[in-house]
Amino acid sequence: GQQLNQSPQSMFIQEGEDVSMNCTSSSIFNTWLWYKQDPGEGPVLLIALYKAGELTSNGRLTAQFGITRKDSFLNISASIPSDVGIYFCAGRLSGTYKYIFGTGTRLKVLA
Amino acid sequence: EPEVTQTPSHQVTQMGQEVILRCVPISNHLYFYWYRQILGQKVEFLVSFYNNEISEKSEIFDDQFSVERPDGSNFTLKIRSTKLEDSAMYFCASRGDEQFFGPGTRLTVL
Repeated sequence: GQQLNQSPQSMFIQEGEDVSMNCTSSSIFNTWLWYKQDPGEGPVLLIALYKAGELTSNGRLTAQFGITRKDSFLNISASIPSDVGIYFCAGRLSGTYKYIFGTGTRLKVLA
Repeated sequence: EPEVTQTPSHQVTQMGQEVILRCVPISNHLYFYWYRQILGQKVEFLVSFYNNEISEKSEIFDDQFSVERPDGSNFTLKIRSTKLEDSAMYFCASRGDEQFFGPGTRLTVL
C-alpha cells in the first residue's frame, strides 16, 4: 500500500528554537493535513493544504504542499513547552476518500 | 465550536465478544471515517462512509467489522468477535472541508 515517510522520527529541542519536519511519498496527493496528538487524545488538526505549492500559516506554524504533490513540510517557529507532542502528516490520494498517515514526529521541548 | 464525540471513552471486553463503538460526527459533515491506532504506532485508516454506504475500506476492515449510520446523528463501528489484536484506540472522524477527529475509544480485549 501507499506509504508516507515522515522525518525526523523524534527530536529534542530547546525552547525558542525553530522546528522543521516533513513527509514524503512516491505517490501523488491532492490534500495534505497536519495534526498534533497529545497522549491519550485524538489528533487535532493544525493546518490543511489543498494545492501544490500552497504555503499556509497558523500562528507559529507554517506548512507547505510540495510542488511535486509528493511531499509536505511543517515548520514551528520559536517553540514553547506546550508544543510537545506527536505530529502527524496525513495525505489523501486523488480519487480516494481515505487519508494515509505518516509515522509521526515526536517533539520534546526542553525549557 | 462543533466537535466529533465518541462513546465510550474506554471499553474492556473478553475475546470473542461483540463491541459497538459510537460516534456523533459534526452535524453538517458528509464524510465519516473510522481509524485505528495501536499503542505507540501511527493512525491507520479503517473505513470511509459517504451517502449511507461504505466508500472505501482498508485490508484491516475484514468481515468482523461493520459500520452503520442508524439515524441522522450516530455513526457506529461494530466488531463482531473481538480478538486480542483488536486492542487499540479507535478514532472516528468526520469531514466537511477538513477532517476532524473525535477523542477516541480505547478498546481493551482480554
